[in-house]
Amino acid sequence: AQKITQTQPGMFVQEKEAVTLDCTYDTSDPSYGLFWYKQPSSGEMIFLIYQGSYDQQNATEGRYSLNFQKARKSANLVISASQLGDSAMYFCAMREPNTNAGKSTFGDGTTLTVKP
Amino acid sequence: DTAVSQTPKYLVTQMGNDKSIKCEQNLGHDTMYWYKQDSKKFLKIMFSYNNKELIINETVPNRFSPKSPDKAHLNLHINSLELGDSAVYFCASSQDEATDTQYFGPGTRLTVL
Repeated sequence: AQKITQTQPGMFVQEKEAVTLDCTYDTSDPSYGLFWYKQPSSGEMIFLIYQGSYDQQNATEGRYSLNFQKARKSANLVISASQLGDSAMYFCAMREPNTNAGKSTFGDGTTLTVKP
Repeated sequence: DTAVSQTPKYLVTQMGNDKSIKCEQNLGHDTMYWYKQDSKKFLKIMFSYNNKELIINETVPNRFSPKSPDKAHLNLHINSLELGDSAVYFCASSQDEATDTQYFGPGTRLTVL
């Protein structure tokens, strides 16, 4: 079974609107970390936001927020007020220190296109 | 200052050659990684070192050999390059090997002809 599932290969959003990128995960490790990365067309991997499994509140970083629903094992990324520069591929990732030696598992990615 | 740097950024070479990719981080992190991203953008871990010690070694051909001379450097040497080795290779680092955030280098695009 896939550990990280991103069901949306591609998403479109109008500039200035909010968009949610889906991510579900599968783990039996009680302690884990969830991450979102952005990969623009230039190729670099940019860290966006982190959520720990024991964090009580949803993580936020500027226009990025993580909608963490632990019981449903979902960690969706919400981008508010989309900008043209947000067009990129977005990866959800998970680290499991106890059951997977801290390896990061990445989803297949979602390509976001922001329309003017 | 660049946090995680890789050289070269592009590498074009012939099948059968041996090549190296260098990685350096100035974040003071203890753990470094190598990832491979294929043409479909799938990102997969190859190796992980913690304080110069190998801790993760995925199913990677033994033509790939990581070397960590100190905890700020993790180089990747590839022998007898094959067409299927063409990919983007990312170096990353994190403070620890557990749940800490990984920071990625800019990537090295390797093309094997």
